[in-house]
Amino acid sequence: DGGITQSPKYLFRKEGQNVTLSCEQNLNHDAMYWYRQDPGQGLRLIYYSQIVNDFQKGDIAEGYSVSREKKESFPLTVTSAQKNPTAFYLCASTPGTGTDTQYFGPGTRLTVL
Amino acid sequence: KNQVEQSPQSLIILEGKNCTLQCNYTVSPFSNLRWYKQDTGRGPVSLTIMTFSENTKSNGRYTATLDADTKQSSLHITASQLSDSASYICVVRDFGDYKLSFGAGTTVTVRA
Repeated sequence: DGGITQSPKYLFRKEGQNVTLSCEQNLNHDAMYWYRQDPGQGLRLIYYSQIVNDFQKGDIAEGYSVSREKKESFPLTVTSAQKNPTAFYLCASTPGTGTDTQYFGPGTRLTVL
Repeated sequence: KNQVEQSPQSLIILEGKNCTLQCNYTVSPFSNLRWYKQDTGRGPVSLTIMTFSENTKSNGRYTATLDADTKQSSLHITASQLSDSASYICVVRDFGDYKLSFGAGTTVTVRA
């Protein structure tokens, strides 16, 4: 059963803590992306990776970090430097870059207590 | 300023009725325009994709139209069903650097 999985579905964090959101895909896609979704706003790009061991900042990378050690995995760490981390986080992948359709995971809702 | 504006922000319709969602964009030139459906608490799923040369694209009861001259697109839902209750997001891809611009979405609620 191919697709993108994200875990956990819900995550609660205390202020000052770092947390890592998991994103795994078995679609053999080269490119992976992390987006943040807030009510009343369009998705905003945090980071993206076009190939293993390489990634680029998106529009709102401050307070976030990523790694791409394996083609199928692209974890996102929300650090304590992110001032307003409560949001719905979506991971996506595409076969390559360019005009490909983005395939999204089910999302992780992060709440800072 | 967001380059993709959607209207209305939300709407409620009765099951079996039709509705039309609007998307205005300023991305220019653009490569393609997509409509995604996002169920509550889930990731978006692609419904349609149109390039600048296409005027209409259908996917079952969903029909998207595109007017590249006025930079407007619409998504028409025919004979709505309860399962159509979701957020519908318009996404425009820039021609040069393939950057995506996302609209904030229109939330559709279908009531029996």
